Amino acid sequence: DTGVSQDPRHKITKRGQNVTFRCDPISEHNRLYWYRQTLGQGPEFLTYFQNEAQLEKSRLLSDRFSAERPKGSFSTLEIQRTEQGDSAMYLCASSPRGWSEQYFGPGTRLTVT
Amino acid sequence: AQTVTQSQPEMSVQEAETVTLSCTYDTSESDYYLFWYKQPPSRQMILVIRQEAYKQQNATENRFSVNFQKAAKSFSLKISDSQLGDAAMYFCAYRSVRSSGSARQLTFGSGTQLTVLP
Repeated sequence: DTGVSQDPRHKITKRGQNVTFRCDPISEHNRLYWYRQTLGQGPEFLTYFQNEAQLEKSRLLSDRFSAERPKGSFSTLEIQRTEQGDSAMYLCASSPRGWSEQYFGPGTRLTVT
Repeated sequence: AQTVTQSQPEMSVQEAETVTLSCTYDTSESDYYLFWYKQPPSRQMILVIRQEAYKQQNATENRFSVNFQKAAKSFSLKISDSQLGDAAMYFCAYRSVRSSGSARQLTFGSGTQLTVLP
């Protein structure tokens, strides 16, 4: 399967713990996006990478959130000191240069207890 | 900022019938992209159809077609000959054509849950 992959698919953590998610985009897609989706809502943009450079961050991305994309390949999204309000599905998407559409991964569902 | 509104939280359709999902958006831009994505239960988001705002012709992909009304800022999705596998949450999304970083994000509506009745 050469689609976008995300790991883990599900994560349950206790409030205050740190969590890290990984996204592997489609090979040769230089653009990578993170979105957050809460139950019954559409995804909301978090951050965007072009190659290894993080070019845009949403105001939703508080200072407890950090994302990286070393070497312009996979990306990680870390949430420090998790709160119950962080419970959501975290989606990763990628797209090649010059394409408007984005291809989504299956998401990581985070539950903070 | 752009906004996307889907006013139908739930819709149902009989198998083999036709259903239309509504979407309106607000933007001050003249050129942009519009998309419909499908999210089946516990499965990943899949692109259904794309429309470029500068194109007057409505996009079509097999049983899926759109009615794009630029002046009214309306972008509805018509599903013909509905199949059980069409049951999913459908999201309308907007993307600017500008090249700055923030323009590349997708802005989504809140979704329409489509049920297909056998």
